Amino acid sequence: DIQMTQSPSSLSASVGDRVTITCRASQTISSYLNWYQQKPGKAPKLLIYAASSLQSGVPSRFSGSGSGTDFTLTISSLQPEDFATYYCQQSYSPPLFTFGPGTNVDIK
Amino acid sequence: QVTLKESGPALVKPTQTLTLTCTFSGFSLSTSGMRVSWIRQPPGKALEWLAHIDWDDDKFYNTSLKTRLTISKDTSKNQVVLTMTNMDPVDTATYYCARHKTAADLNWFDPWGQGTLVTVSS
Repeated sequence: DIQMTQSPSSLSASVGDRVTITCRASQTISSYLNWYQQKPGKAPKLLIYAASSLQSGVPSRFSGSGSGTDFTLTISSLQPEDFATYYCQQSYSPPLFTFGPGTNVDIK
Repeated sequence: QVTLKESGPALVKPTQTLTLTCTFSGFSLSTSGMRVSWIRQPPGKALEWLAHIDWDDDKFYNTSLKTRLTISKDTSKNQVVLTMTNMDPVDTATYYCARHKTAADLNWFDPWGQGTLVTVSS
């Protein structure tokens, strides 16, 4: 099974900061990597699919990059509504789709 | 607009069978390429994909839970049902259904239902 790790597990940042979250796969997954945002008590929301494609309606301050085993999610200028937990998810090995452990972004 | 909503018991006893229903609108599970997945999240923990069912009634399960899961669909009612047998307190989680999109071997979940919290306790 493909294992996903994320770093950091949590971070504190201020509004306006540039934030980068890293996701690593235990084996190559090409660009089969998605990113989700989850706010407390809410369902996850798709942000990025196929490593770098921005989902319709998602602000352009979110971007994704990477391929193979190492991926990043970048928020170019953190906004108050961006404080949440972010998960990566691989879809390289269907039908087993695995998620990372999450990165919590909170207010400094 | 695509929406999904989960329903089922909030509390089940250990060893019982859980039955959850996902009722959706805005798409048809009889359309080629359509899929619906179930995903769960224990309190304070990460997400775990459980199963998906395809427009052509193909079914796929998380290998670690395969013996306990059954997924089915009622296309006329726009519903997908997940059953999980032999429930244990470690199965306490919020259970989500989501439209499972595919394109050129890519897979992603969008959108998700609001989730339903299931507690396993005697």
